[in-house]
Amino acid sequence: EVQVVESGGGLVKPGGSLRLSCSASGLTFRNIWMTWVRQAPGQGLECVGHIKSEADGGTTDYTAPVKGRFTIFRDDSQNMVYLHMGSLKIEDTAMYYCARGTGRGPLYHFDYWGQGTVVTVSP
Amino acid sequence: EIVLTQSPATLSLSPGERATLSCRASQSVSNYLAWYQQKPGQAPRLLIYDAFNRATGIPVRFSGSGSGTDFTLTISSLEPEDFAVYYCQQRSNWPVTFGPGTKVDIK
Repeated sequence: EVQVVESGGGLVKPGGSLRLSCSASGLTFRNIWMTWVRQAPGQGLECVGHIKSEADGGTTDYTAPVKGRFTIFRDDSQNMVYLHMGSLKIEDTAMYYCARGTGRGPLYHFDYWGQGTVVTVSP
Repeated sequence: EIVLTQSPATLSLSPGERATLSCRASQSVSNYLAWYQQKPGQAPRLLIYDAFNRATGIPVRFSGSGSGTDFTLTISSLEPEDFAVYYCQQRSNWPVTFGPGTKVDIK
């Protein structure tokens, strides 16, 4: 059975930083792309970014609002992926989901999701 | 960035009725479009990928169609558990983007 579990959310002040963690089991972790998706309260979904498998280069990409502030990295030996969030803004307040990105061809859709972890940025 | 527009914003129907949800892309996404269902307090669930392929375990009453810029999600006969918000998502270009959602609620 596939399980994706996020942790690390919490309350942080504007300008602060936070690191989210995500564990994924039941998958061949080193072969998969992992992503972070966020959802502000009462709003829709936004893909924050992804990290490719090492076989596909292990590179990352980010959506424009977080580029230069957020970093995704992975530890395949622990089946973990992380989202380091810096220079946090009030508008980064959201539920953050970790999800597997999959699909043939360009980019991905999201098939396995965690239950999310809440990040609140407030003075 | 490819913008996805969903219509209607809200669809009020009764159990047993047919639901037809629309998603339109600002430029062609070929068939690289997925649909998700989200219930309150839950993560989204993948329903349809690449326009018409049902994800594992998804009931046959859910079907997807379309290509290019216009896509449709059809629920042939609404069950009580189908009342939720539905999002489309494209994976043709980075950044992957989602539509704003259609809420299907009970009439």
